[in-house]
Amino acid sequence: NAGVTQTPKFQVLKTGQSMTLQCAQDMNHEYMSWYRQDPGMGLRLIHYSVGAGITDQGEVPNGYNVSRSTTEDFPLRLLSAAPSQTSVYFCASSRSTAGVNTIYFGEGSWLTVV
Amino acid sequence: RKEVEQDPGPFNVPEGATVAFNCTYSNSASQSFFWYRQDCRKEPKLLMSVYSSGNEDGRFTAQLNRASQYISLLIRDSKLSDSATYLCVVNPLGDTGRRALTFGSGTRLQVQP
Repeated sequence: NAGVTQTPKFQVLKTGQSMTLQCAQDMNHEYMSWYRQDPGMGLRLIHYSVGAGITDQGEVPNGYNVSRSTTEDFPLRLLSAAPSQTSVYFCASSRSTAGVNTIYFGEGSWLTVV
Repeated sequence: RKEVEQDPGPFNVPEGATVAFNCTYSNSASQSFFWYRQDCRKEPKLLMSVYSSGNEDGRFTAQLNRASQYISLLIRDSKLSDSATYLCVVNPLGDTGRRALTFGSGTRLQVQP
C-alpha cells in the first residue's frame, strides 16, 4: 500500500533557488494538504485542496504555490527559497474534512535552505 | 491565543506508570477531535479519535469535555514503546468547509526503564 508518497526526502537549496516537492496519493482522497513542522510550533498548514482544480491558502502560504490538476497529485512549489523555509514538510490526504476521517501523512521532506 | 494548546513536556515517567495529557481548544464550534502520535523524525499517525462519550482502546483512553473545551489522553501501564510526541488535533468546523485540521504543537512523552 503506497498511501501518500512525497519526494524528495532530503533537499538542500541555496537562497533564491526554486524547487517543487512532489506529493501523490493512491487512495482517491478528495482532500490534500501541505504542512510544515518547526520545533515548538507544531504542524502549520501551508495550502490545501478539497478536490481537483480547487486550492486554498492555509495559515502560512507566503512563498509557496500549489496546484491540483488531478485527484492524485498535489505538488508544492517554493518560488524563491529563503532560510526561513528550512523546515520539515508533510503532505497529507483524507477522504474529506467532514466528521471522523483519518488524515494520512507522507513520510516528510527535510528541506534546508542555506 | 493558539487555537489548540498543549503542554510540550517532556513527561518523563517510569514503565508501568499512568500518564495523562490535556489539550485545550479555543473554537467552541469544533466538532471532531483526534490524538495523533509522532515518533522522532517520522510522520504523525492516528492514535485514536475522541468521541463525546469518551472512548477506550486498550491502554489508551480519550475523553472530551466540551464545557471546558479540552480533550485528554490517558495512557495506563506505560511501555517504553509509548515514548513519542502526542499531537492533539481539532477539526474547527466539522464540516466540508474550507478549514483544515488544526494541530497542537505536541506533548513529548519519555517512558524510562
